[in-house]
Amino acid sequence: DTAVSQTPKYLVTQMGNDKSIKCEQNLGHDTMYWYKQDSKKFLKIMFSYNNKELIINETVPNRFSPKSPDKAHLNLHINSLELGDSAVYFCASSQEGAGELFFGEGSRLTVL
Amino acid sequence: AQKITQTQPGMFVQEKEAVTLDCTYDTSDQSYGLFWYKQPSSGEMIFLIYQGSYDEQNATEGRYSLNFQKARKSANLVISASQLGDSAMYFCAMREPRVMNYGGSQGNLIFGKGTKLSVKP
Repeated sequence: DTAVSQTPKYLVTQMGNDKSIKCEQNLGHDTMYWYKQDSKKFLKIMFSYNNKELIINETVPNRFSPKSPDKAHLNLHINSLELGDSAVYFCASSQEGAGELFFGEGSRLTVL
Repeated sequence: AQKITQTQPGMFVQEKEAVTLDCTYDTSDQSYGLFWYKQPSSGEMIFLIYQGSYDEQNATEGRYSLNFQKARKSANLVISASQLGDSAMYFCAMREPRVMNYGGSQGNLIFGKGTKLSVKP
């Protein structure tokens, strides 16, 4: 059983489109995250969220929005995609404020 | 300001030898956590080892140990008896607990830029 799963693993789309990446965790964790890994492998936090509070990294454009239908899911919506959005997006989860983060396998987004 | 610094973009090590990957961090908090993750070419992020700021003993997990020097703010990863499968990117990360408005605590991990380790046969 995959602990943190993301779909799709690969996504190729045109500039200007809107896309979503889904994330689900079956670990019973209460906090979920989205990270972006750029072409130089740098990992940057985008959002952290539990069912009480959303923390948005101030550098994230408002074209990006997390949506959580329930505690086990945190989806990432991206509007008006740009070339610079091409990256690998990782979902992760942890128990509130503690312990290591468990990562999904990553979703590689390519914007043409 | 960069909070996690990994000064070695790439490292080579001979199979079966030990290697140390450097990590320094910057924080004014007394309570924090330090982590190392491995990312092989397949792309997944694999948790290796954790050190809490109040832990007096250096963390160890199998062939991995963390050389924690609090006064120097360094948390170097030592891999003993390197194997070919250790070839990967290695990331140091720090968690600074953050008290939330609702009273709980969150704390995302802040990552360094990584070190690419190559193990030579």
